[in-house]
Amino acid sequence: AQKITQTQPGMFVQEKEAVTLDCTYDTSDPSYGLFWYKQPSSGEMIFLIYQGSYDQQNATEGRYSLNFQKARKSANLVISASQLGDSAMYFCAMREGWRGSARQLTFGSGTQLTVLP
Amino acid sequence: GAVVSQHPSWVICKSGTSVKIECRSLDFQATTMFWYRQFPKQSLMLMATSNEGSKATYEQGVEKDKFLINHASLTLSTLTVTSAHPEDSSFYICSARGLAGYQETQYFGPGTRLLVL
Repeated sequence: AQKITQTQPGMFVQEKEAVTLDCTYDTSDPSYGLFWYKQPSSGEMIFLIYQGSYDQQNATEGRYSLNFQKARKSANLVISASQLGDSAMYFCAMREGWRGSARQLTFGSGTQLTVLP
Repeated sequence: GAVVSQHPSWVICKSGTSVKIECRSLDFQATTMFWYRQFPKQSLMLMATSNEGSKATYEQGVEKDKFLINHASLTLSTLTVTSAHPEDSSFYICSARGLAGYQETQYFGPGTRLLVL
């Protein structure tokens, strides 16, 4: 079974509008972390936001927020006020195990976001 | 913020030669470093996990004698592709994990594009 599922291979959004990128995960470990990364055409993986499984509040970082619904095992990324520079591939990832563990990240298949002028 | 550097950013080599890729964490001590491989339009595939001073742990299907990983210090890990062949052509990305206060961080290098002729 897929540990991280991103069901939207491609998304379009109008500039200045908000967009939600979906991510669901599967784990039986009570401790885990969820990450979102942006990968522009240059290839660099840019860290956006992190949510720990025990965090009570949804994570926010500037225009990025993570809609964490633990019971549904979803961790959707919300980008507010989209900008043309937001056009990129977005990956959701999960690290199982406690915060300081050496466990690797498991990545979803990614969502290609295109912001339209 | 934390930065991970990777060198070289791209390399072209002849079949049969060896290529070394360096990954450095610049602003923090990376307890664990990861090496990923990414084919065009695909997600990241973990190749190996390395902890400073110990042998790397390779993922299933990754030849440890072909992809040599050395993690000599808390800020430097190297990946050597030995006797490279055209099928080794890919985008290689390193990642370093550390703790910055409470926040868990995992940052990626800018990647190395390898083309084997």
